[in-house]
Amino acid sequence: KQEVTQIPAALSVPEGENLVLNCSFTDSAIYNLQWFRQDPGKGLTSLLLIQSSQREQTSGRLNASLDKSSGRSTLYIAASQPGDSATYLCAVRGGSNYQLIWGAGTKLIIKP
Amino acid sequence: DTEVTQTPKHLVMGMTNKKSLKCEQHMGHRAMYWYKQKAKKPPELMFVYSYEKLSINESVPSRFSPECPNSSLLNLHLHALQPEDSALYLCASSQDNSLGGQREQFFGPGTRLTVL
Repeated sequence: KQEVTQIPAALSVPEGENLVLNCSFTDSAIYNLQWFRQDPGKGLTSLLLIQSSQREQTSGRLNASLDKSSGRSTLYIAASQPGDSATYLCAVRGGSNYQLIWGAGTKLIIKP
Repeated sequence: DTEVTQTPKHLVMGMTNKKSLKCEQHMGHRAMYWYKQKAKKPPELMFVYSYEKLSINESVPSRFSPECPNSSLLNLHLHALQPEDSALYLCASSQDNSLGGQREQFFGPGTRLTVL
């Protein structure tokens, strides 16, 4: 059974720092991996989608990598800003019904 | 336009009420999803519609009844809910639900439901 883990559960860093969020999964047979951002009480915003055949995707200050063999993905945020404060969730598409299997999220706080 | 809209934003209902949640997208997506999210938890999949047909029901109680009137609209009919059903209900859509291709899911802002 596929399990997705995100460590750490919470992270607080000063503004301007580069940071890495981690996502690991137990079964390498995935179709894609998606990173989302969620602000408190709001919906989810899709940040990046990485197909199983890809190694990384970039959007602005965000870069996501995927290493299927080791069951890992990282989300790199460059030059962090207070507006980046949110909960970041990763989800892999796989499992018995090919739907998204979610990590519990990392709550990120960027201190001004 | 990558927008999924949901109405209402907030809903308070009693256990004997009947209400409906609505979701709409105009991206030409043929797969639409309902999720339930409790505080500080990831979303839980409830239903998947693919080409207007219900393809996945994750053993959701019958007090939740989905409906897909057309390719742009998705409803969730609520009846005789329990207080533990209080949650954020999220709608999402993707190009389709087949295994190939990107299948990126786009989410709406959610409906905050409170059952008294």
